[in-house]
Amino acid sequence: GAVVSQHPSRVICKSGTSVKIECRSLDFQATTMFWYRQFPKQSLMLMATSNEGSKATYEQGVEKDKFLINHASLTLSTLTVTSAHPEDSSFYICSARKLAGGVGELFFGEGSRLTVL
Amino acid sequence: SQQGEEDPQALSIQEGENATMNCSYKTSINNLQWYRQNSGRGLVHLILIRSNEREKHSGRLRVTLDTSKKSSSLLITASRAADTASYFCATVSRNSGNTPLVFGKGTRLSVIA
Repeated sequence: GAVVSQHPSRVICKSGTSVKIECRSLDFQATTMFWYRQFPKQSLMLMATSNEGSKATYEQGVEKDKFLINHASLTLSTLTVTSAHPEDSSFYICSARKLAGGVGELFFGEGSRLTVL
Repeated sequence: SQQGEEDPQALSIQEGENATMNCSYKTSINNLQWYRQNSGRGLVHLILIRSNEREKHSGRLRVTLDTSKKSSSLLITASRAADTASYFCATVSRNSGNTPLVFGKGTRLSVIA
């Protein structure tokens, strides 16, 4: 199956700092990647859709200036949490679909656990 | 936004028993997928069932889909302790394009050895 790599897997930062999370599709090209956030014992909530070469599409209630998404290549999308605060502590998961415009299986990264002190 | 509900939210069974989890959704779908998540890990795709399919099997997994009731069920037969995880259903709408998955709330399954 396809492999999606996410880095870092865990990060602890001080309040007010920025944190960058990378999502790479290792063996396929992904024109679209999705970023989800998951709070403890809850489901995954879609944050934004990341499109290669264009601006990301954010879900309602997600601040685009706080969660910066860059999809500069067909294999890499980054999520930067700017001026992080304790309430941003969460599990962030990226996913990618192999076929552009498809509606099939999504491949997920292993997630990045962010803890903001 | 979340699509629907999983039922039950938590399920605890003995090893060897069957586990059934249900999922309901709200809108018309292209397909429905089930994923598994071990604690603190990413998601693993289990099975995809298309809107024109009613039942699908994969090893010890059996998934049904009832589009008239907008519901699906996941059955794990002869459960093992290693099946302990959270299980999520996720739907893809009928809209074309790069549509994301919309996840249900999940069922936390505990299989006791």
